[in-house]
Amino acid sequence: QSVLTQPPSASGTPGQRVTISCSGSSSNIGSNYVYWYQQLPGTAPKLLIYRNNQRPSGVPDRFSGSKSGTSASLAISGLRSEDEADYYCAAWDDSLSASVVFGGGTKLTVL
Amino acid sequence: QVQLQESGPGLVKPSQTLSLTCTVSGGSISSGGYYWSWIRQHPGKGLEWIGYIYYSGSTYYNPSLKSRVTISVDTSKNQFSLKLSSVTAADTAVYYCARGKYGDYVSWGQGTLVTVSS
Repeated sequence: QSVLTQPPSASGTPGQRVTISCSGSSSNIGSNYVYWYQQLPGTAPKLLIYRNNQRPSGVPDRFSGSKSGTSASLAISGLRSEDEADYYCAAWDDSLSASVVFGGGTKLTVL
Repeated sequence: QVQLQESGPGLVKPSQTLSLTCTVSGGSISSGGYYWSWIRQHPGKGLEWIGYIYYSGSTYYNPSLKSRVTISVDTSKNQFSLKLSSVTAADTAVYYCARGKYGDYVSWGQGTLVTVSS
């Protein structure tokens, strides 16, 4: 059971806009930055979004992040076949058992 | 651009200690400013943070693994290492090293699968 909750799957057709949610609590998303990762099969995760809504150099602006209260979202616009991957959210958790916590991951399928 | 590479045994026996090393190239661990982390991924599952270290040797571990984890750094070799003791089959996973502290992992190693089995 992951500390951050993501839907296990999402899907869309090429060109569509898809959003993936990440729900947490006041000790993680509610008080710390959210990060988003893309993981293609057999590869290491790649940072897509940092500090809630910032894109590292090289990440297309089709990817965007937002945060409100104890939830965050990753939006992918102009969906492409190469976006088919697993997506994870992450945040620091300030609780008594302080640690980095991840969502369980969302498998995005491009139909 | 900094690159990371994990190395170590791919097979460890139950109750023994898992030992992995991450070699950093393209940047110096001792230059400071960055934390160096270990993260694992159980087969077909999500990501689990193990802990991080600073070049000074300061560490912080996931409380759920703290009793079994040791992360160390060797600045002369530009490496940092993970030791996980008393392993069981539940420790079978792909282990990644990465640069970052609070979830901001910009650079990752390719990952190495460690299987715990007799």
